[in-house]
Amino acid sequence: GAGVSQSPRYKVAKRGQDVALRCDPISGHVSLFWYQQALGQGPEFLTYFQNEAQLDKSGLPSDRFFAERPEGSVSTLKIQRTQQEDSAVYLCASSLAGRTYEQYFGPGTRLTVT
Amino acid sequence: EDQVTQSPEALRLQEGESSSLNCSYTVSGLRGLFWYRQDPGKGPEFLFTLYSAGEEKEKERLKATLTKKESFLHITAPKPEDSATYLCALRKGSARQLTFGSGTQLTVLP
Repeated sequence: GAGVSQSPRYKVAKRGQDVALRCDPISGHVSLFWYQQALGQGPEFLTYFQNEAQLDKSGLPSDRFFAERPEGSVSTLKIQRTQQEDSAVYLCASSLAGRTYEQYFGPGTRLTVT
Repeated sequence: EDQVTQSPEALRLQEGESSSLNCSYTVSGLRGLFWYRQDPGKGPEFLFTLYSAGEEKEKERLKATLTKKESFLHITAPKPEDSATYLCALRKGSARQLTFGSGTQLTVLP
């Protein structure tokens, strides 16, 4: 079946621009996670949704980062006024309810801020 | 502070040369330790979950083990297609998210 998909796969933004990154989770997966992965590092947690409810946003690095999942399926991560330090791969993962430990990751969006 | 440390950072093996990757951790309330494989340009792919010291899981040429302070990923007779970055992660307490180490980049030469 279809896995987690993310778009765009690559995004180049000029410093100060706003960007929106999209995640389509596996159908039926109620839990959705966003992670940020810097080059040569492991993913770092940003935020977590269960259905449309954002239950944890403790990993968002600043108030420039905002995530939503209004209908409990597709999610969007928005970064306002991008900075060079925002350059990273942004990964989305989904899991079944009650099995949040078994997360299925998408291919990521590579964001480069120039 | 919770920490997940992986070693070595990079490992080059000849095809058929068995070895082990290490993941050491300090965390209170461990709820699971996870191994993922990540290929270039792709997201991490789930391999194993371990919950308690002494537990072992196997999949093809890979075997994961867990003690109270560390986990090992043993690779037996590796093949070039095993080349990837292997990530260790843990889940603690009531948290849903995973805390990842920085990974071991494995290269298996033919």
